[in-house]
Amino acid sequence: KAGVTQTPRYLIKTRGQQVTLSCSPISGHRSVSWYQQTPGQGLQFLFEYFSETQRNKGNFPGRFSGRQFSNSRSEMNVSTLELGDSALYLCASSPLNLQGTIGHNSPLHFGNGTRLTVT
Amino acid sequence: AQTVTQSQPEMSVQEAETVTLSCTYDTSENNYYLFWYKQPPSRQMILVIRQEAYKQQNATENRFSVNFQKAAKSFSLKISDSQLGDTAMYFCAFRVAGNNRKLIWGLGTSLAVNP
Repeated sequence: KAGVTQTPRYLIKTRGQQVTLSCSPISGHRSVSWYQQTPGQGLQFLFEYFSETQRNKGNFPGRFSGRQFSNSRSEMNVSTLELGDSALYLCASSPLNLQGTIGHNSPLHFGNGTRLTVT
Repeated sequence: AQTVTQSQPEMSVQEAETVTLSCTYDTSENNYYLFWYKQPPSRQMILVIRQEAYKQQNATENRFSVNFQKAAKSFSLKISDSQLGDTAMYFCAFRVAGNNRKLIWGLGTSLAVNP
């Protein structure tokens, strides 16, 4: 079974531009979460999607948005890029539990991330 | 505030030896789940082991085991018979039971296994 696929792997953008990152979850997984990883702040939760609906959101400004499609693929968009948005963006998917919901014990399966550099 | 502290930014161990990575966390909740993830240079975060807070028995996965001390809010990871492939960043994380499934992460411990 293929793992979580994130594209592109590397991205260089200029301050003020916008960017879209893509994530394809493991086949059959319906929950997708996004995390931002920086050396100083570590991993910070951005948002989680399940069945095309945003279920949870972290403490990021409105410039950060996302969506999920009917095939569970997800995209994350950052508008008006700032230098501080330079980070590794990780996407993770989760399977459903026996009850058909996303359990708190469900492990996250991560992709290799997109390294975004804002200059 | 819910936080995770990994007090050892860097550690090293000789191949075949045992090493313990420390993790403490802070939460006022009683029902939560704890995880250790590793991140090798490939950047992919990989689940190492997980523990439900309501279980007293410490989780074990092959060479990896945890020492979970709920009262002390401590969740250390022990790696036995260290292998070169264990070289990676190790992150401790937890998630509180409830509507929000976000993981709270520590800043990680960089582990180097030396031949």
